[in-house]
Amino acid sequence: DAKTTQPNSMESNEEEPVHLPCNHSTISGTDYIHWYRQLPSQGPEYVIHGLTSNVNNRMASLAIAEDRKSSTLILHRATLRDAAVYYCILRRPIQGAQKLVFGQGTRLTINP
Amino acid sequence: NAGVTQTPKFQVLKTGQSMTLQCAQDMNHEYMSWYRQDPGMGLRLIHYSVGAGITDQGEVPNGYNVSRSTTEDFPLRLLSAAPSQTSVYFCASSYSSAGGRYGAFFGQGTRLTVV
Repeated sequence: DAKTTQPNSMESNEEEPVHLPCNHSTISGTDYIHWYRQLPSQGPEYVIHGLTSNVNNRMASLAIAEDRKSSTLILHRATLRDAAVYYCILRRPIQGAQKLVFGQGTRLTINP
Repeated sequence: NAGVTQTPKFQVLKTGQSMTLQCAQDMNHEYMSWYRQDPGMGLRLIHYSVGAGITDQGEVPNGYNVSRSTTEDFPLRLLSAAPSQTSVYFCASSYSSAGGRYGAFFGQGTRLTVV
């Protein structure tokens, strides 16, 4: 499986936008890019996914580089509740989500 | 719609004891998985199932057994607990659709301590 690289930690202020980067230079042409987050003492939660085009949903936006070797999860207006560990994961199209490979993720701290 | 339900939430075992961690989902998902998460680490896959009667090993299967007799339930058995199995255990379920389009739903976790 292709590997992803994320910064260990990031810090931002409440009500400001947050850009969480992910590098996946060995991504194959058919891999989906998925993001999960894990709030303290909870199980991971699906956030968003994309293939080639940028994606928006109620939680976040996903910006995918044209060469697909990197992506950025964007939280438009961070709240204290967004403090979590964010995981960027690549998914092969023939797989279901039964074999997710989690890295260390990025620990996001939000300052009031 | 309860999603993925794990029981118990907390458990303390003595070394050598056995126990079963329960996981149930009510979304009619074909795929279910068990992960463990050690302090400061990401999740690691223990076992997974792609349907009733079908299971397979993940990255760290030693010391654990699973079975899948129904679509809804996927219990994880610790045969002889060891301190190295102290961890937080998460169960997940997902649709069987190919194409990478769907995400997984996770339970709230079982915090297990083996003394």
